[in-house]
Amino acid sequence: EAEVAQSPRYKITEKSQAVAFWCDPISGHATLYWYRQILGQGPELLVQFQDESVVDDSQLPKDRFSAERLKGVDSTLKIQPAELGDSAMYLCASSLGQGALTYEQYFGPGTRLTVT
Amino acid sequence: GQNIDQPTEMTATEGAIVQINCTYQTSGFNGLFWYQQHAGEAPTFLSYNVLDGLEEKGRFSSFLSRSKGYSYLLLKELQMKDSASYLCAVSHHFGAGNNRKLIWGLGTSLAVNP
Repeated sequence: EAEVAQSPRYKITEKSQAVAFWCDPISGHATLYWYRQILGQGPELLVQFQDESVVDDSQLPKDRFSAERLKGVDSTLKIQPAELGDSAMYLCASSLGQGALTYEQYFGPGTRLTVT
Repeated sequence: GQNIDQPTEMTATEGAIVQINCTYQTSGFNGLFWYQQHAGEAPTFLSYNVLDGLEEKGRFSSFLSRSKGYSYLLLKELQMKDSASYLCAVSHHFGAGNNRKLIWGLGTSLAVNP
């Protein structure tokens, strides 16, 4: 069964350092999402791609976060510099498209980030 | 604005039935999802409702009333493995074109006791 791949699974970094996460969606999925989830809360959408284009990054802290999906397939999320408050689970998800019947999102295992 | 409310925690007994409610306020409504999330794991899809009524899938059922901005997830014949967080998420249109995104609730942590 096809899965969303993410790496690394765990990352510990010191504040002010740079950190990057990678996501490979299910083959053929046009829409890719990056979420941040703090323990005990629901996922918060950071950025949404349709193919290689950003369709929503309204909640992305653009002074320190950046995301790209250059060829419309895999994607990278970067934080520079990392802050203590960035400690969270970073989830990547993908869906076939944005139409009602193709909108089910499939999640990767996530990257748990700890900033010290 | 967009708002989703669901209870923070619930407890139930193995073999029983539990109903988890979700109320929402949103513009451009385009369906409601329920996801299950076990501790330390990613969310997994349970159900999707876009029309009013009940959708049944095995031990799990989901109900939607668009006029009331209300949904519930019904879990029957509870098992210990059902202990998890249950997330309600509403899909809504935004911007121009066919763009849609999910607004997520905070989740309901369900504990199933023997």
